[in-house]
Amino acid sequence: TQLLEQSPQFLSIQEGENLTVYCNSSSVFSSLQWYRQEPGEGPVLLVTVVTGGEVKKLKRLTFQFGDARKDSSLHITAAQPGDTGLYLCAGVWDDMRFGAGTRLTVKP
Amino acid sequence: DAGVIQSPRHEVTEMGQEVTLRCKPISGHDYLFWYRQTMMRGLELLIYFNNNVPIDDSGMPEDRFSAKMPNASFSTLKIQPSEPRDSAVYFCASKGQGGALGEQFFGPGTRLTVL
Repeated sequence: TQLLEQSPQFLSIQEGENLTVYCNSSSVFSSLQWYRQEPGEGPVLLVTVVTGGEVKKLKRLTFQFGDARKDSSLHITAAQPGDTGLYLCAGVWDDMRFGAGTRLTVKP
Repeated sequence: DAGVIQSPRHEVTEMGQEVTLRCKPISGHDYLFWYRQTMMRGLELLIYFNNNVPIDDSGMPEDRFSAKMPNASFSTLKIQPSEPRDSAVYFCASKGQGGALGEQFFGPGTRLTVL
């Protein structure tokens, strides 16, 4: 059973567009991590959010943790082909569990 | 730092054969995780170790799967006998003493195909 729901499952956009992907749970997280996975490689950590309402920015990527610590979003501004990949959120409770991911394709 | 090392990178075997996947974690890391990734089920945690001791193996699908960590620098995941539904990419990851907030470092994965 997936404790984390990520949406959308697939997203295909043109270079320069903005996008937002979501990670939701019915449970409160201790913290949440976002990873990006490129084809043929393992996931790589992008950010960890801990405090409800927290916003972190990583260049064109903006991560937000919901006030109730049950959800999170990742917004990408002016997407580039290099942003293509699988974006995974991982919720931390007693252990850490991954969502199924959003597979993003940015077309040049 | 070489990162997490996994071998083999690709494995093709026939149903019923034994498969052994290998992992060398990052030196100094205390946690080691084994995951399985498929399109249908995403990234699933199979088992993790802390200081070479298995802590949670509730994700191991059945008795055909076993994992060992004989020392701090080596772990194996064995499937015996293998079945076609075991086909997936298997990742090993390690983590240092950062606790729950610590970053997991993933290896490149082993792509297993069971015919």
